[in-house]
Amino acid sequence: EVQLVESGGGLVQPGGSLRLSCAASGFTFSDHYMDWVRQAPGKGLEWVGRTRNKANSYNTDYAASVRGRFSISRDDSKKSLYLQMNSLKTEDTAVYYCARGNYGLDYWGQGTLVTVSS
Amino acid sequence: DIVMTQSPDSLAVSLGERATINCKSSQSVLYNSNNENYLAWYQQKPGQPPKLLIYWASTRESGVPDRFSGSGSGTDFTLTISSLQAEDVAVYYCQQYYNTPITFGQGTRLEIK
Repeated sequence: EVQLVESGGGLVQPGGSLRLSCAASGFTFSDHYMDWVRQAPGKGLEWVGRTRNKANSYNTDYAASVRGRFSISRDDSKKSLYLQMNSLKTEDTAVYYCARGNYGLDYWGQGTLVTVSS
Repeated sequence: DIVMTQSPDSLAVSLGERATINCKSSQSVLYNSNNENYLAWYQQKPGQPPKLLIYWASTRESGVPDRFSGSGSGTDFTLTISSLQAEDVAVYYCQQYYNTPITFGQGTRLEIK
C-alpha cells in the first residue's frame, strides 16, 4: 500500500524557517517524481514545486511564489522528501501536502499545517 | 504559465441527476508526440487530501466509480458525474501537468439540491 506521511509543520514567525519531511512507503520511491502542493485555509490548491527522479538528474522546479525561498530535496535511500522553507511570509500559511508525481498526482499524504504568524 | 479556469464555481444537483463541470486551459495541453492531453481531475472532501479521479483527460483512476467520466481535448475539458450520489459532495479541481508550473483550476463546489 502506498503511503505518504508528512511531518514538521507548526507555528513559525514571519522571516523564520521550517523544514517539512515526507516519508514514503509501498512503492519504489527512487523511480518517481515527487511534488509539494499547498492549500491555504479555505482556499484552492497551489503547486509548490517538484523534484524529478535520478534518471532526470533530480532536477527541481518551483512556483514563482516560493522560488528562491523554498528548496526541495530527496533522499532515495531513506525514501524521504523534504521541503526547506526560508524567509517565511504570512501568506505561506497553509496545509502542505506531498504527492507522487506520475500521470497527474496519484497519491497524496494527509498534509501538515504550517502557520506563519507573529 | 497555463491558467486553468473552471465553471461554474459552485453547482447544486439533485441526487441521481447529472453533474457537469467544465475546465478551460489558456493554452493547449495536448502533447502532439503522444496525442495525450495532460489534464487531470481531483475530488477533495472536507478535511481530506485531494483524490485523483481522472488522468490523461479521460482515463479513470483505479477504483473510481464509472459514473465519473472525463472528456475534451486541447483547451476544453469536462468532468461528468452521470448519476449524483450523496458521497460525491466535494470540491472538484482540474489540473494541467503539460508543463511546470503545474496549475490547478480554482475549484468547483458540488452540493446536493
